[in-house]
Amino acid sequence: AQSVTQPDIHITVSEGASLELRCNYSYGATPYLFWYVQSPGQGLQLLLKYFSGDTLVQGIKGFEAEFKRSQSSFNLRKPSVHWRDAAEYFCAVGVSSYKLSFGAGTTVTVRA
Amino acid sequence: SAVISQKPSRDICQRGTSLTIQCQVDSQVTMMFWYRQQPGQSLTLIATANQGSEATYESGFVIDKFPISRPNLTFSTLTVSNMSPEDSSIYLCSVETSGLSSYNEQFFGPGTRLTVL
Repeated sequence: AQSVTQPDIHITVSEGASLELRCNYSYGATPYLFWYVQSPGQGLQLLLKYFSGDTLVQGIKGFEAEFKRSQSSFNLRKPSVHWRDAAEYFCAVGVSSYKLSFGAGTTVTVRA
Repeated sequence: SAVISQKPSRDICQRGTSLTIQCQVDSQVTMMFWYRQQPGQSLTLIATANQGSEATYESGFVIDKFPISRPNLTFSTLTVSNMSPEDSSIYLCSVETSGLSSYNEQFFGPGTRLTVL
């Protein structure tokens, strides 16, 4: 069965600094890969997804993610974070586009 | 994309009672899903609800505890039955739509925060 690991439970970053969130997956073939963000009191919003093709994926809100098959990783990055980026971020994988398995999430705190 | 609403947004319930959560979508969708997010944890899929058929439950979830209805292509309900404090969670519905790339995408509702006393 597929699984996903987010090694970092909590990350604190200064406003304007760069951010990288790690995600590793376990699956025999190339899965569908997603990053979602959950702001306090809000539902989940899809940031970006990877199905095939270019391994560098651009998403909304200035986020991007890179799929690295050799490392079974799909790390999320943003060059310059804003205070509004403080939220919880979930990486998800699926053998199809539904029935997603979510990582435990990474909480991002942005300090002024 | 899809706009999804859930009712209620939150509730506080007594143990032993049941709560029905509604999920409404602004467009017709084939697949709807129900997830549970326990405090401080990630999302766990409870079941998949397709219109016109019985819901498919994931391991650890049973119909008697979480009965689901899917009467049409825009609406679904999840009931949390005979609640205990361990059922205190956020319950989210999601839907699968067809994105511009023809791959399906999953969109989530705002969630229902349930507290069981």
